[in-house]
Amino acid sequence: EAQVTQNPRYLITVTGKKLTVTCSQNMNHEYMSWYRQDPGLGLRQIYYSMNVEVTDKGDVPEGYKVSRKEKRNFPLILESPSPNQTSLYFCASSPGDRPEETQYFGPGTRLLVL
Amino acid sequence: KQEVTQIPAALSVPEGENLVLNCSFTDSAIYNLQWFRQDPGKGLTSLLLIQSSQREQTSGRLNASLDKSSGRSTLYIAASQPGDSATYLCAVPTSGTYKYIFGTGTRLKVLA
Repeated sequence: EAQVTQNPRYLITVTGKKLTVTCSQNMNHEYMSWYRQDPGLGLRQIYYSMNVEVTDKGDVPEGYKVSRKEKRNFPLILESPSPNQTSLYFCASSPGDRPEETQYFGPGTRLLVL
Repeated sequence: KQEVTQIPAALSVPEGENLVLNCSFTDSAIYNLQWFRQDPGKGLTSLLLIQSSQREQTSGRLNASLDKSSGRSTLYIAASQPGDSATYLCAVPTSGTYKYIFGTGTRLKVLA
């Protein structure tokens, strides 16, 4: 089944403890992206990647890192999480390396930083 | 800077009613516009994608239109059903970048 998977789905952590949220897609998509969703603010793009080893900042990149060493994986790294990073996170992928095609979303990761 | 607005923020209608959801954007230089559906606690599901050269797209009871010059898109839902209850979001990739900007969504409730 074609899909975007994220792990973990739920995570509770403490301030400053490094964490990684994994994202994987099995559709051989070029474009991958991370978003956070907060009440009243909607979805905001954190980082995106047009291909392996090619990444760029979205609108809210502060406090996050990403890497794209393989086409299928696009992990989101929080080096030192803070409470304001408590949010619902979504990974998405798209077939081409241009934003002209449909995005497919993962199920989301709910993160609570204490 | 591109801004995307969706009005109304919430909408409640009786079953069977036809309804229109609105999406406005400030920069008309867009590649396309995409409509998504989000069920509570779930991810986003793509409904329709309209390329910048198109005026509308249809899928079943859904019809989305795009007017780039006025910076507006509408999602028309015919004969609404309780199963249509969800949050509907529109998104645009900004021309010249690979960034996506989302609206804050319209939360729709269809009453049986």
